[in-house]
Amino acid sequence: GEDVEQSLFLSVREGDSSVINCTYTDSSSTYLYWYKQEPGAGLQLLTYIFSNMDMKQDQRLTVLLNKKDKHLSLRIADTQTGDSAIYFCADPNGGSQGNLIFGKGTKLSVKP
Amino acid sequence: KAGVTQTPRYLIKTRGQQVTLSCSPISGHRSVSWYQQTPGQGLQFLFEYFSETQRNKGNFPGRFSGRQFSNSRSEMNVSTLELGDSALYLCASSLGTTVQETQYFGPGTRLLVL
Repeated sequence: GEDVEQSLFLSVREGDSSVINCTYTDSSSTYLYWYKQEPGAGLQLLTYIFSNMDMKQDQRLTVLLNKKDKHLSLRIADTQTGDSAIYFCADPNGGSQGNLIFGKGTKLSVKP
Repeated sequence: KAGVTQTPRYLIKTRGQQVTLSCSPISGHRSVSWYQQTPGQGLQFLFEYFSETQRNKGNFPGRFSGRQFSNSRSEMNVSTLELGDSALYLCASSLGTTVQETQYFGPGTRLLVL
């Protein structure tokens, strides 16, 4: 079946850039998503990218999409301690209604 | 606009009992999806409802069921609870009119089975 892979941990210093990577297998998805989960909370939609785009910038967030390699990345500029959370890459699973396939999540730790 | 709400936020049950969780979608959204989140398996899709009909189902046993009401609110039920059902249950809503729409998540219901 479809799969999404992410590295599990990332540690950065406050003020540095963070880059979280994701690979996916489904090439038919129209959008790819990034969600953020803070401790004890649900999932917050962070950003998304349309599949015919290579890059999308939204304030401190930059999403890069390499469709050939099925690789998605999220860059957070000037990372703050408030960015510490788990970040999930999500693929809408082609034509399957309402069904997001998630990676295991990357836990971002930001050290002051 | 109010976000997705879920009740209750926390539940403690014992093995063999059953439980019902509730989800109210964003106003105007007609699709509700349910997910189970555990440390071991991560986020897994349970099912999706649109206009009171189940349109899609994940790979969970029949003990997990759901329904949707005419106001788009949804409930999920787990019967004969097992220890492994301890998880965060998340629901998400979307407009539901096209495939691959953006889903917005609620805060989740944390279920502990003893």
